[in-house]
Amino acid sequence: EAGVTQSPTHLIKTRGQQATLRCSPISGHTSVYWYQQALGLGLQFLLWYDEGEERNRGNFPPRFSGRQFPNYSSELNVNALELEDSALYLCASRGRLGLAPNEQFFGPGTRLTVL
Amino acid sequence: AQTVTQSQPEMSVQEAETVTLSCTYDTSENNYYLFWYKQPPSRQMILVIRQEAYKQQNATENRFSVNFQKAAKSFSLKISDSQLGDTAMYFCAFMKHAQGAQKLVFGQGTRLTINP
Repeated sequence: EAGVTQSPTHLIKTRGQQATLRCSPISGHTSVYWYQQALGLGLQFLLWYDEGEERNRGNFPPRFSGRQFPNYSSELNVNALELEDSALYLCASRGRLGLAPNEQFFGPGTRLTVL
Repeated sequence: AQTVTQSQPEMSVQEAETVTLSCTYDTSENNYYLFWYKQPPSRQMILVIRQEAYKQQNATENRFSVNFQKAAKSFSLKISDSQLGDTAMYFCAFMKHAQGAQKLVFGQGTRLTINP
């Protein structure tokens, strides 16, 4: 069974640009979570999508947005990039709510560098 | 809001030794889950062990076990017979039991090095 996949592995952008990160969950998983792992700030929850809808959002500005597609894959968009957005962005998936254990399974991450 | 604290930024032990990583958390919730995740240099976060708060029995997964003290809000991870492959960042994480609150709240992590 394939795990959570993320693309691209690395992404280099300049300030003010937009970045799009992609995540494909484990087959059969309906929930996708996004976390930011910035140096010195630890892992911070960004967004949670389930069944195509945004269910919860962390303490991040609106320029962090995303969506979940009918096949449960997800995109994270970061607009108007700032230097402090440089981080490892981790995606995680889990099975259908109420029917599966509560573990979140993580992808390998996308390293975003803003110059 | 929930907080998770890992007071040991770095630890180092010899191969085959036993090591214990500390984690404390703060919550007013009664039902929740606790997890230990491992992040090796490859960056892939891997679930090591989980504990449901309503279970009094400490979780065990092969060489990994936890000491869950609910009243003290403490959740330590013990690694027995440590191996070189255990070298990684270890994160303690908390999740509320409620369906609408599925996010993980992580500690700052402990960098564990197993020396040959």
